Amino acid sequence: EPEVTQTPSHQVTQMGQEVILRCVPISNHLYFYWYRQILGQKVEFLVSFYNNEISEKSEIFDDQFSVERPDGSNFTLKIRSTKLEDSAMYFCASSVRLAETQYFGPGTRLLVL
Amino acid sequence: KQEVTQIPAALSVPEGENLVLNCSFTDSAIYNLQWFRQDPGKGLTSLLLIQSSQREQTSGRLNASLDKSSGRSTLYIAASQPGDSATYLCAVTTSGTYKYIFGTGTRLKVLA
Repeated sequence: EPEVTQTPSHQVTQMGQEVILRCVPISNHLYFYWYRQILGQKVEFLVSFYNNEISEKSEIFDDQFSVERPDGSNFTLKIRSTKLEDSAMYFCASSVRLAETQYFGPGTRLLVL
Repeated sequence: KQEVTQIPAALSVPEGENLVLNCSFTDSAIYNLQWFRQDPGKGLTSLLLIQSSQREQTSGRLNASLDKSSGRSTLYIAASQPGDSATYLCAVTTSGTYKYIFGTGTRLKVLA
């Protein structure tokens, strides 16, 4: 069964460094999303992406964050200058259409020291 | 602003019991509601999706119902098994938006 994959599974970085989290959505899906979950807290929406542009973003998704679909398969989240509070599990998700089931990847656990 | 609440926060039951998990939301103008399962340190597994026009969905031992007007959904798990132990999350999308708003989850433990 097709699934969303994410790399790396774990990433440790120093505060102020740039990180890129990678995702491969399910191949026929058109909508892509990033969410994050700080330890012990709710899953929070960051951004959605459709037709090569951001369709919606939350207040968390500030100028330090960017997303890109550099080729036909990958979907990336870049954090330009990481802060301690960026430490979280980051989930990528995809769906065929809007309001259809969103399928989540296994997540990347980011730790900022 | 949409808020999603799940009760109880934690639940421990003996194997074989039927159980109900609750999810409530404050804005009834939802597009759909999705139930997920999350194992410790893992990703989210989609269990059931209910569109706003539907009243319930079933998959195996799972049945999810939706009452939009009262802002509630329930996830019914029949004949629970130790393998059902996980955190169960509900999430809603509101009309005109792409994002899911998640509840805090119910941590379920099924005892053998």
